[in-house]
Amino acid sequence: GAVVSQHPSRVICKSGTSVKIECRSLDFQATTMFWYRQFPKQSLMLMATSNEGSKATYEQGVEKDKFLINHASLTLSTLTVTSAHPEDSSFYICSARTTGEAQYFGPGTRLTVL
Amino acid sequence: AQSVTQLDSQVPVFEEAPVELRCNYSSSVSVYLFWYVQYPNQGLQLLLKYLSGSTLVKGINGFEAEFNKSQTSFHLRKPSVHISDTAEYFCAFQGGSEKLVFGKGTKLTVNP
Repeated sequence: GAVVSQHPSRVICKSGTSVKIECRSLDFQATTMFWYRQFPKQSLMLMATSNEGSKATYEQGVEKDKFLINHASLTLSTLTVTSAHPEDSSFYICSARTTGEAQYFGPGTRLTVL
Repeated sequence: AQSVTQLDSQVPVFEEAPVELRCNYSSSVSVYLFWYVQYPNQGLQLLLKYLSGSTLVKGINGFEAEFNKSQTSFHLRKPSVHISDTAEYFCAFQGGSEKLVFGKGTKLTVNP
């Protein structure tokens, strides 16, 4: 149980385009979903927290207009990187949890912006 | 301030040897504690968690950890490691909010 999927696993795009990443909790309903970014050989950096049906809460320094988060249902959250630039290239990981439980992580999405 | 310190950035061991990965935390509130493992180019997998109850927690793949409140520690141990345990290990806690506070990670390398 507690499986979280992400799609796509890898994406390459041109500078200036937008990319959407999906995060799904497959066998449980997630009250909260989280989006992280991970740079090589570093720990995870929390970007935002989202609850179903409400606006995401962004961490300090994360541009909400650039990283659009939608939490449409208890099993789906999406992260859209708008007008992507090479500096947005990174490994993006989502996680999901229900109240009182651990966070379960997706397999990650490797974004490369050319 | 809340923080997690993983004292060793890299731990090399030989196969079948025991290993301990150290984790200390700083928090003014009660915490939930977690260990996650990350294999290359993958997300994080939950190894074990301490939410309440017994301070000795057993997880997957033969790992266990002990919560020590007085020492604010949550060290991860395995009595005999395998080559397949080579990975990055992250200690994390949740306290006072929904967010996880992560350590910087410990790279465990198991050599034949």
